Formats: sequence, C-alpha cells, structure tokens
Amino acid sequence: KNEVEQSPQNLTAQEGEFITINCSYSVGISALHWLQQHPGGGIVSLFMLSSGKKKHGRLIATINIQEKHSSLHITASHPRDSAVYICAVGDVRNTDKLIFGTGTRLQVFP
Amino acid sequence: NAGVMQNPRHLVRRRGQEARLRCSPVKGHSHVYWYRQLPEEGLKFMVYLQKENIIDESGMPKERFSAEFPKEGPSILRIQQVVRGDSAAYFCASSPLSLVVDTEAFFGQGTRLTVV
Repeated sequence: KNEVEQSPQNLTAQEGEFITINCSYSVGISALHWLQQHPGGGIVSLFMLSSGKKKHGRLIATINIQEKHSSLHITASHPRDSAVYICAVGDVRNTDKLIFGTGTRLQVFP
Repeated sequence: NAGVMQNPRHLVRRRGQEARLRCSPVKGHSHVYWYRQLPEEGLKFMVYLQKENIIDESGMPKERFSAEFPKEGPSILRIQQVVRGDSAAYFCASSPLSLVVDTEAFFGQGTRLTVV
C-alpha cells in the first residue's frame, strides 16, 4: 500500500463544476504539498500546509491532521485547470524527503 | 527572479552513453532535491544536496548515478552508461531552507531523458 494515496485517479468535469481531489497518507508528516503538473511541463507548487485551510483564487486546500487527509477543491473549474494534481507529504521519519501520490489527472471540458 | 532552471529540457542518449542533467536553483536557495518520474508512475526522491554536500542519497541507485552541487555553478545529476530503464523525467527542486522546517519547494520544468 502506498504511503500517499490519491483519489480519484482520473477526473473529468464540465467547465464551471466544483472539483474535489482527495489525498490520504499513512505517515507522520511535517507538511503536505499540493502540486500541479501540465502535460509535458514542469511542476508548480500550489499549496503547502500543515493545518487548517488555505485559499488562492479558485483553489482551496484543507487538511485534517487527525484523519491524515487533505482535499484540494477547485471552484468554477475551467479548461485551463486541466492538469495532473499531485499530493506530496514531508515525512517526519526521514527529514527532507517528499513522498508523492501518483496524481489525479483532471480534464475540464468547455 | 528566475525560478529553478533545468537543462536540457529533452535529452536523447544511446545505451552506454553518459547523461548529464543540470539544475540551477532559485537564486539564494542552497537546498536542492532531485526526483525521478518514471512513465505512468509518481515522483520518487533520489537525492538531497546542500552546497558542496550530499545530505541524503538514499533514493539514488548505487551504481552509475551520482550528483553534485558545487560551490559555484549548477547542481549536476550524472548517469553513466545509461540503459533503457533510465528513461524518465528528472525534476529538480530547490528551497531556501530544509523542507523539514515546512518551507515551500520550487520545481523546475524537468529534463526528459530518452535512452535509445
């Protein structure tokens, strides 16, 4: 079993829909990162959080430390949001290592 | 203020050749991390370096792979005698502080290595 699990693996949506991507982890963490990867492109850091909730524009990330779960929400989704969204955690057992989920591939259609 | 710069973006090597991947961190960042993304798989940690020091190389294959981050110049990931299984995207990330203190990591565009 992977230490970081994401769901769903693939997600399609119509423009304007509200999107939720989930991340569960089984290790103690120092922080959780949400990353975005466009096809053939680089990786962009969206959020880093260790508690509570953060919001940037149409993106919202929440984390529940007790339940070892985080969610990434996209409000009013747009085709340009189409990308792979990756959850990664900093593992307190082995400092400085990020453990990555396998990603959620999101496609938003007009 | 440029982000993490990796070059080349694409690299094709024949089996047995050497691949040299470069990473220039964000200006002022002294912590560099290399990750590998195999086709259809998630990113995996390879090595963590600070200036002139390898801090953790537990994710790097023991043979043929090496990494350095000299006092001057970019960090280099070197793969000797490449094999087809080395074909992957290699990402570099940098941070101003160690990730253990909850600092954001900045990623490069990656180098896509194809071994033919």
